[in-house]
Amino acid sequence: EVQLVQSGAEVKKPGESLKISCKGSRDSSINYWIGWVRQMPGKGLEWMGIINSGDSATRYSPSFQGQVTISADKSTGTAYLQWSSLKASDTAMYYCARGATHLGYAGDFWGQGTLVTVSS
Amino acid sequence: DIVLTQSPGTLSLSPGERATLSCRASQSVISTYLAWYQQKPGQAPRLLLYGVSSRATGIPDRFSGSGSGTDFTLTISRLEAEDSAVYYCQQYGSFITLGQGTRLEIK
Repeated sequence: EVQLVQSGAEVKKPGESLKISCKGSRDSSINYWIGWVRQMPGKGLEWMGIINSGDSATRYSPSFQGQVTISADKSTGTAYLQWSSLKASDTAMYYCARGATHLGYAGDFWGQGTLVTVSS
Repeated sequence: DIVLTQSPGTLSLSPGERATLSCRASQSVISTYLAWYQQKPGQAPRLLLYGVSSRATGIPDRFSGSGSGTDFTLTISRLEAEDSAVYYCQQYGSFITLGQGTRLEIK
């Protein structure tokens, strides 16, 4: 079974940068990807973007394009979600998930979540 | 982007009953790309169904899906207390989007 282990909770100030991680298996198949999902307090789920495990190609939701950067280190099987300048509205739980094209872009394995709090 | 609208917002049923959750898309969705998730409080989402009706690993057959085009349904039969959760539908078109969720309460 695939296990995704996310980095711990973060408390940051507006304007600071942040990079959170999601460590999984070193699967380099082009048929799998890692995605990031935002859940603001008391709200629903939103896919932010995905990175392909094989060719590291990234795709972003239009809502998050230019707001965050998704990257990966294939040698360690770790995916990252990065902000250059946080806002209070970035306060949320962030989940990573593994998806597979044969599952129709559904996420079958999920990390435990990383809580990001941005407050002055 | 395709917008998914789920109904009802909240559903309250008793153990043993059947729950019917709806997901309506603003444009036609390719069936391969329609999925359902369950999320319990304080937990990550769990994949229930993909490709409209294929159950993910370990999902009991009480959970079933149907539909095509713009109208999809998640049916949970013989409700149990542990089914209390928020359920989300998801589609992949130009990108992945999710509905706003249906909260299922077991009385």
